[in-house]
Amino acid sequence: NAGVTQTPKFQVLKTGQSMTLQCAQDMNHNSMYWYRQDPGMGLRLIYYSASEGTTDKGEVPNGYNVSRLNKREFSLRLESAAPSQTSVYFCATGGFGVSGKLFFGSGTQLSVL
Amino acid sequence: GQQLNQSPQSMFIQEGEDVSMNCTSSSIFNTWLWYKQEPGEGPVLLIALYKAGELTSNGRLTAQFGITRKDSFLNISASIPSDVGIYFCAGPYTGANSKLTFGKGITLSVRP
Repeated sequence: NAGVTQTPKFQVLKTGQSMTLQCAQDMNHNSMYWYRQDPGMGLRLIYYSASEGTTDKGEVPNGYNVSRLNKREFSLRLESAAPSQTSVYFCATGGFGVSGKLFFGSGTQLSVL
Repeated sequence: GQQLNQSPQSMFIQEGEDVSMNCTSSSIFNTWLWYKQEPGEGPVLLIALYKAGELTSNGRLTAQFGITRKDSFLNISASIPSDVGIYFCAGPYTGANSKLTFGKGITLSVRP
């Protein structure tokens, strides 16, 4: 039982390159989230998906797109990476009726040069 | 927007000591959560609080939901080296229980 799996673990990009961060969960949760973590800034919500087929913007959505491929998978895409997107990205999931009880993946460390 | 305030950014304690952290907001929250993040990992839920005044324990950890619903406290008793990490408070956005906003976190160091 893997829980929440994120790939890749590490990535280095050049400015302007694109990439997709993958997230898959086997917890049968409806809600999935993408957060970014920067030193001294805590965790900030980028996008979330309350259920399969729906996505909504969070606090810092600019420069990102998401796809809720099915109930298990939620991907985050950077179309044209910028140095300001250097961060650690976390995917999380949550079930209906378990307010606040999010389960996080182990993160993707992204550097944009 | 809804902000959760945690300070100081870092705390240094001696093994065996108790430590207390708090989290405040200018907005009312109906749920308070405390997460811990260890190096290289994602945050893990420690304690969830759903009722004003509620006091909940999880081993050596005790958390309280403030009466005003604008603050919460986390206490760690008899600290041990494995308590090191970043401690975040969190709460749901207004009207959106499935979305969480996080404080900036407190990095705890424990000296042996």
